[in-house]
Amino acid sequence: GAGVSQSPSNKVTEKGKDVELRCDPISGHTALYWYRQRLGQGLEFLIYFQGNSAPDKSGLPSDRFSAERTGESVSTLTIQRTQQEDSAVYLCASSLQGPMNTEAFFGQGTRLTVV
Amino acid sequence: AQKVTQAQTEISVVEKEDVTLDCVYETRDTTYYLFWYKQPPSGELVFLIRRNSFDEQNEISGRYSWNFQKSTSSFNFTITASQVVDSAVYFCALSEGPDPIQGAQKLVFGQGTRLTINP
Repeated sequence: GAGVSQSPSNKVTEKGKDVELRCDPISGHTALYWYRQRLGQGLEFLIYFQGNSAPDKSGLPSDRFSAERTGESVSTLTIQRTQQEDSAVYLCASSLQGPMNTEAFFGQGTRLTVV
Repeated sequence: AQKVTQAQTEISVVEKEDVTLDCVYETRDTTYYLFWYKQPPSGELVFLIRRNSFDEQNEISGRYSWNFQKSTSSFNFTITASQVVDSAVYFCALSEGPDPIQGAQKLVFGQGTRLTINP
């Protein structure tokens, strides 16, 4: 597709279960970002990939959160033993690497609800 | 450390009024990039503008204009003759210059300003 694609668009899970969120970046975009947006809040940085390495994962809130990326393609964000405070929209973005920071293009997000 | 502050949490104006959204940033780098994004009710973030730290020229795009002032570390956004369709949450963001090895840097966002344009 032409844009960043995220799946699922909505996910309801029981507290304590593990969830996997998927992001398909724009083809050719080497940089990929995960953000979390709680209801009515701003975007909270989680992790950033350059290719399949993660130079900055300083935003991951706890060791329950992990992410991986296959080459310069799909990324998955995994949350283990979900808690109610994990409920949020998880946004993925991708951008071109280069000498100038180009704009990041965002997906529509995955709305996660932990009950 | 990078930081972006959008002091205005919510703004409500009547259609056709002009409105300015404030953005103040902090960074130690001399090379950095500033962005504005729009988040309509649908939720997807829409890119509006990118400005690098070496270009202080103000920019106008239709009813939108941006005022970048390094002296006050501000990058304010003005909508002229606002319309109901401008209602959205607007985010200002900052990234420091790309690392020559690692590439582009992460975007740090402000908390957003919810703009409501009333008919």
